[in-house]
Amino acid sequence: AQTVTQSQPEMSVQEAETVTLSCTYDTSESDYYLFWYKQPPSRQMILVIRQEAYKQQNATENRFSVNFQKAAKSFSLKISDSQLGDAAMYFCAYWGGDMRFGAGTRLTVKP
Amino acid sequence: DVKVTQSSRYLVKRTGEKVFLECVQDMDHENMFWYRQDPGLGLRLIYFSYDVKMKEKGDIPEGYSVSREKKERFSLILESASTNQTSMYLCASSDDQETQYFGPGTRLLVL
Repeated sequence: AQTVTQSQPEMSVQEAETVTLSCTYDTSESDYYLFWYKQPPSRQMILVIRQEAYKQQNATENRFSVNFQKAAKSFSLKISDSQLGDAAMYFCAYWGGDMRFGAGTRLTVKP
Repeated sequence: DVKVTQSSRYLVKRTGEKVFLECVQDMDHENMFWYRQDPGLGLRLIYFSYDVKMKEKGDIPEGYSVSREKKERFSLILESASTNQTSMYLCASSDDQETQYFGPGTRLLVL
């Protein structure tokens, strides 16, 4: 079974600085999708970014970008110019037929 | 924008009660999902449905059942609530399976 590991239960970043959240996964598949979801304190889970495994280019969405290392099975999320509104739980997820989520990383943004 | 709504944000029930959690999506999505979210465990799939009247077990279906009589509505049923079912329940829908859109969640407390 595929597993997704987020090794950082909590992270903290100063406003306007950059932070990277780690995610590794285990799979024997070659074709799959990876996601980062954000869950703010209001609890609605929001899709931040999506990466298709067959694409070499790292996905970006404004201040959010990923570092996808397929051979290493690593999928980290970089948040640039952090804002107070970025404070949330972040979940890494893998889809290769069914969705698997990591345990989450709680990001705190300090003013 | 996709909208997924859940009938209650907070729910308190007693052990042994039958509990219904409702989820409605307005984007004509084929696929709907029920997860429970617990600290340190991420999201775990309870049940999912690919079509009306169809249901498939996820990773932790024990103690739960589901109903999908209409495409837009997916209900999670706790036949006899137990204290270990105290959790956050998240509903999601998708049209392509890979990208899921989540509701705001229902925080259930079973006393």
